[in-house]
Amino acid sequence: GAGVSQSPSNKVTEKGKDVELRCDPISGHTALYWYRQSLGQGLEFLIYFQGNSAPDKSGLPSDRFSAERTGESVSTLTIQRTQQEDSAVYLCASSPGQGMRIGDYGYTFGSGTRLTVV
Amino acid sequence: GESVGLHLPTLSVQEGDNSIINCAYSNSASDYFIWYKQESGKGPQFIIDIRSNMDKRQGQRVTVLLNKTVKHLSLQIAATQPGDSAVYFCAENPHSYDKVIFGPGTSLSVIP
Repeated sequence: GAGVSQSPSNKVTEKGKDVELRCDPISGHTALYWYRQSLGQGLEFLIYFQGNSAPDKSGLPSDRFSAERTGESVSTLTIQRTQQEDSAVYLCASSPGQGMRIGDYGYTFGSGTRLTVV
Repeated sequence: GESVGLHLPTLSVQEGDNSIINCAYSNSASDYFIWYKQESGKGPQFIIDIRSNMDKRQGQRVTVLLNKTVKHLSLQIAATQPGDSAVYFCAENPHSYDKVIFGPGTSLSVIP
């Protein structure tokens, strides 16, 4: 597609349930990122995939969070045993690859998945 | 830890006036900086970027200024319009690596 696509756009789940969020990056983009944004807050880095390299998981807040990426395509972010503090917008972004330069336009973000844990 | 922060969390500007959004960064090794605009219900959208070997870069109605001496970044929007109302994030990219660090954001409101 032309942009980064995320699904679902909204998800309401009960505390304790597992959820999966999906991200389809721009075709050809080797780098993919997940961020979390709480209401009225900035962007919190979660995880970064670059090609076939080991992902940078340094931002994952707990072992309940995990993410996978198949090659250079779709990624899924899984949250196990959801808690109310997990409620946030989860944003995915992709970029052409390593080493940003002027004109690379940084990341392209999707519209996010709004997760509400009740 | 390293962070990028904003001096003004909220800003209200009269339509037609110029807006200035400020940002402080802490990593002196960062060599690439980006401004993003986030409208309600959408993901952040790239506005303009600048490398550390520049002190000014202009786009359409926007200018980014970089002062490496005091580690300060600003975004200037000329003739602010109602469509400019959004949250603006600055971000730094340390060591030309892909992962960027985002600031907390400034909410810009344009008064008609």
